Amino acid sequence: AQTVTQSQPEMSVQEAETVTLSCTYDTSESDYYLFWYKQPPSRQMILVIRQEAYKQQNATENRFSVNFQKAAKSFSLKISDSQLGDAAMYFCAYRSPNFGNEKLTFGTGTRLTIIP
Amino acid sequence: DAGVTQSPTHLIKTRGQQVTLRCSPISGHKSVSWYQQVLGQGPQFIFQYYEKEERGRGNFPDRFSARQFPNYSSELNVNALLLGDSALYLCASSSVQANTGELFFGEGSRLTVL
Repeated sequence: AQTVTQSQPEMSVQEAETVTLSCTYDTSESDYYLFWYKQPPSRQMILVIRQEAYKQQNATENRFSVNFQKAAKSFSLKISDSQLGDAAMYFCAYRSPNFGNEKLTFGTGTRLTIIP
Repeated sequence: DAGVTQSPTHLIKTRGQQVTLRCSPISGHKSVSWYQQVLGQGPQFIFQYYEKEERGRGNFPDRFSARQFPNYSSELNVNALLLGDSALYLCASSSVQANTGELFFGEGSRLTVL
C-alpha cells in the first residue's frame, strides 16, 4: 500500500517571500501521479499542481513549482512571491496509474500561514 | 459550468441514526469518489464508482455504502452512526477518459454525530 508523509504540520512565510512544503511517499510502483491540493477555509479542495512520475521535468504553474526526486521519493512544493490568498491547508497526494482507478492517498497536510 | 455539488452542506445526527449524503458530478464526468476528512487529518478514500459500478473501496466498515445513478450522481449512506463518523465528507468527480488523474472536489457535507 502506498503512503504519503507530510512532516510539517504548520509553516509560515512573510508575504512576497518563498516557502517550500515537504512531502515524501512510499510506493513500489514505477509510474504514478503526484499532486498538491490546496484547501482554504471554504473547504473545497483545489488542485495546485500535478506531476507524472515518468516525466523527469519538474512541473510548474505560475508561482508554484515542484522539486520531484523520484529516487528519493520526495515531492516538495515551492511557492514563490507568497500572497495572502495562499493561506490554506496544503495536501500532498498520490495516485496509481491504473486507468479507471481514481483513488487518491493523501498526506496529513501542512497549514500555511502568510504573514502580512 | 457547475462544479461538483453536494447536499446537505451541514447536518447533525444522533448516534444510531442513518444518514444519506448526495453528490452531483461535473457534467460529463462519469466517475465519482467519496472521501472522509476527520478534523485535522487528510481525506481518506471511502468509495469510487465509475459507470455505476463500484471500482474501489477503502478500509471502512459495512455501515458505509454508496451507489451511483444513471445520471452519474451518487449517494453515500452511513448506518448506525457513531461519534467517530463526525467528519467532512467530500465528493469528487473526474473524467476517467482524460486520464489526467485530477479530481474535482465539492465543498463537502459536514456531519456532526451527537
